[in-house]
Amino acid sequence: DIVMTQSPDSLALSLGERASINCKSSQHILYGPNNKHYLAWYQQKPGQPPKLLIYWASTRESGVPDRFSGSGSGTDFTLTISSVQAEDVAVYYCQQYFNSYSFGQGTKLEIK
Amino acid sequence: EVQLVESGGGLVQPGGSLRLSCAASGFTFSGHWMHWVRQAPGKGLVWVSRINRDGSSTFYADSVKGRFTISRDNAKNTLYLQMNSLIVEDTAVYFCASPIFSTDGANGAFDFWGRGTMVTVSS
Repeated sequence: DIVMTQSPDSLALSLGERASINCKSSQHILYGPNNKHYLAWYQQKPGQPPKLLIYWASTRESGVPDRFSGSGSGTDFTLTISSVQAEDVAVYYCQQYFNSYSFGQGTKLEIK
Repeated sequence: EVQLVESGGGLVQPGGSLRLSCAASGFTFSGHWMHWVRQAPGKGLVWVSRINRDGSSTFYADSVKGRFTISRDNAKNTLYLQMNSLIVEDTAVYFCASPIFSTDGANGAFDFWGRGTMVTVSS
């Protein structure tokens, strides 16, 4: 099974600061024939279902603000929020869908 | 508008059974894989099960294998999760989800989610 490990578990930033959330997979999640990393990022606010932000490691979902971006390759991936806004307070999860499906443990983003 | 609406949750005793449903609308249900994902109170997301387009292929997390059965009725645009031999650790909100636009043709990230239905296993 592929284990997804996120860091940090939580972070507190001031409005306008840059947020970086890391995700490490225990195995490579690159599918050779289409050269895509099967890695997604979700945002979940209290009482709501998760919302897809990024898929194929770096493709932004339609309607997601461009301050959200995804990067990485191999087994190391990053979700970056270029300038944190109040509405970004949430828990963020990475997910691999390359071999079965598994989520990271989540990273809680708060505003200082 | 794509909609996924779960139902069927509730309180059940350990060892009991429950069947969850997920009614789909706004897209060609029969053209997409469907998934169940659960979230225990205050905890993270855990993938539970997947079914392919015509229901001929199913896949389960080890924690529910042999106890849960995923199925679908494409004529009714509905996904199901039959849960048997329930244990306390199955207590969670159960979401149905699907990769609709974010796919490689079949597999993909979950771009649409229902709001979930709560299952509580307790004596």
